[in-house]
Amino acid sequence: DGGITQSPKYLFRKEGQNVTLSCEQNLNHDAMYWYRQDPGQGLRLIYYSQIVNDFQKGDIAEGYSVSREKKESFPLTVTSAQKNPTAFYLCASSAGTSDYNEQFFGPGTRLTVL
Amino acid sequence: QKEVEQNSGPLSVPEGAIASLNCTYSDRVSQSFFWYRQYSGKSPELIMSIYSNGDKEDGRFTAQLNKASQYVSLLIRDSQPSDSATYLCAVNVYNTDKLIFGTGTRLQVFP
Repeated sequence: DGGITQSPKYLFRKEGQNVTLSCEQNLNHDAMYWYRQDPGQGLRLIYYSQIVNDFQKGDIAEGYSVSREKKESFPLTVTSAQKNPTAFYLCASSAGTSDYNEQFFGPGTRLTVL
Repeated sequence: QKEVEQNSGPLSVPEGAIASLNCTYSDRVSQSFFWYRQYSGKSPELIMSIYSNGDKEDGRFTAQLNKASQYVSLLIRDSQPSDSATYLCAVNVYNTDKLIFGTGTRLQVFP
């Protein structure tokens, strides 16, 4: 059954801690993306990767880091430098990198800073 | 700054009616346009993609695109209470695979 998985579903973090959110896809998609969603706001792009071992900053990359060592996996680390990390984090993937590729989302991770 | 604008709603329609959701975008050269449905607490689900001017129909959903007016809309016929959700409009950034999302329109379908 093809799809995108994210774990954990809920994550609680103490201030000053780094946490890593997992994103895995078995769709054989080349491109993967991380978004953040805050209440009443649209999705904002954090990082994206079009190919293994390469990634680019999105609009709000400060305080986050990523890696893309495998095609299937694109983990996101929320560092202590991110001042307001409480949000709903969404991972997406798409088959290619043209203007016409559809993005599909995983179920999301809801991060709360205590 | 490229923008995608949607009325936040809520848009309330009775069961069986047509719901009309609208979206405008600022980048004249955008090539592809998407509608996502997001239930409360869940992730967005792609329901329609449209790339050419005109209408595209899929079941009860019709997407309409007018590039000259920089306007894309989603019509939902025979609205059902299960259609109650937030609908996100997304527009591609030209010559990239990046999308810009609107803040969404909340649709309420009442029995």
